Amino acid sequence: QVQLQESGPGLAGPSQTLSLTCTVSGGSISSGSYYWSWIRQPAGKGLEWIGRIYSSGSTKCNPSLKSRVTISLDTSKNQFSLKLNSVTAADTAVYYCARGRGSEGYYAFDIWGQGTMVTVSS
Amino acid sequence: DIQMTQSPSTLSASVGDRVTITCRASQSISSWLAWYQQKPGKAPKLLIYKASSLESGVPSRFSGSGSGTEFTLTISSLQPDDFATYYCQQYSSYITFGGGTKVEIK
Repeated sequence: QVQLQESGPGLAGPSQTLSLTCTVSGGSISSGSYYWSWIRQPAGKGLEWIGRIYSSGSTKCNPSLKSRVTISLDTSKNQFSLKLNSVTAADTAVYYCARGRGSEGYYAFDIWGQGTMVTVSS
Repeated sequence: DIQMTQSPSTLSASVGDRVTITCRASQSISSWLAWYQQKPGKAPKLLIYKASSLESGVPSRFSGSGSGTEFTLTISSLQPDDFATYYCQQYSSYITFGGGTKVEIK
């Protein structure tokens, strides 16, 4: 079955760029109508959607983060990636990658990675 | 953007209880609503999508209802494995989550 796994540095310096990768196994990232997404959760708080990339490569991001977010797809490695620039302590959170299942832009997240903790600190 | 408000934020219940969690949207989202269960240190798990469709493998004691701006998640008979935090999520316009409802042991 399809599995997702986040990877990347667990520490980022203030004003630097946070970079994470999600590796998809058990299925092709470029097949089917899936929305590959990033979601984060600060400790003890709720979930915040960051953005997504469709299997065609089109992206859509949370308006509150849009100016700082880049999401990309690497079909040769079956991965998608997140870059969040100009980070502050407020970006400290567990970051999840997830698969959105649906169509025409409407989707729920049926498969999630285990999450990776990223701390922003000097 | 669409705001999602869950109530209550915490719920104390006993095994066997019928439990209902409410989620309200700041504007109509049709039936574009999902429910998730999250346990400490784990990723959320999809329970319900499109307001009332049960995800494959999820026990039938979970059910969802509603449309427009008001939605409910019901657990018909609470089991020990159900003590967790539950989130609603709208996917009508962008994506936003509710603040969560923690179901704890009474």
